[in-house]
Amino acid sequence: DTGVSQNPRHKITKRGQNVTFRCDPISEHNRLYWYRQTLGQGPEFLTYFQNEAQLEKSRLLSDRFSAERPKGSFSTLEIQRTEQGDSAMYLCASSPGTSGTSSEQFFGPGTRLTVL
Amino acid sequence: KQEVTQIPAALSVPEGENLVLNCSFTDSAIYNLQWFRQDPGKGLTSLLLIQSSQREQTSGRLNASLDKSSGRSTLYIAASQPGDSATYLCAVLHRPLVFGKGTRLSVIA
Repeated sequence: DTGVSQNPRHKITKRGQNVTFRCDPISEHNRLYWYRQTLGQGPEFLTYFQNEAQLEKSRLLSDRFSAERPKGSFSTLEIQRTEQGDSAMYLCASSPGTSGTSSEQFFGPGTRLTVL
Repeated sequence: KQEVTQIPAALSVPEGENLVLNCSFTDSAIYNLQWFRQDPGKGLTSLLLIQSSQREQTSGRLNASLDKSSGRSTLYIAASQPGDSATYLCAVLHRPLVFGKGTRLSVIA
């Protein structure tokens, strides 16, 4: 399977715990994006990487959230001291580049987080 | 701030009907527009990408149009099938990708 993969697919945690999600983009895609989607809403942008550089972060990304892409391949999204409001689907996407058809984004299956 | 609106929020049609989903955006300075399909509890599947210089794209029974100056796009689905039932999301690449809330489509056999 050469699509975007995410792990775990589901995560249930207690309030206050830390969680980490992983995203493996399509091979050779330079850009990697993280989004959050709550029920009945469209995905909302969190952050994106060009290779290993984190180029933009949304104001939605509070200081409890941190994302990394250390070698320009897979990425991790960590949420510290989780809150019930963090419950959502966390989606990862990748694209080959930034212009024309290379800007098309391909999404993974998502990680559904439930904070009890 | 870019805002994307999709109308209708939900749509139910009998099998075989042709249908149109609408998407509007407030800032015409976009790089491209993408239509996605999302099945319940799943990720997004890219259906069509229209670059800002293009007016339409076609894939099988799907045709998407873009009128950047008026801030509108439509997704036309021909001869709908029960397997088309899903939520359809429109997104504009405006640094970054900004999504609408989607149209939930049900095709009744």
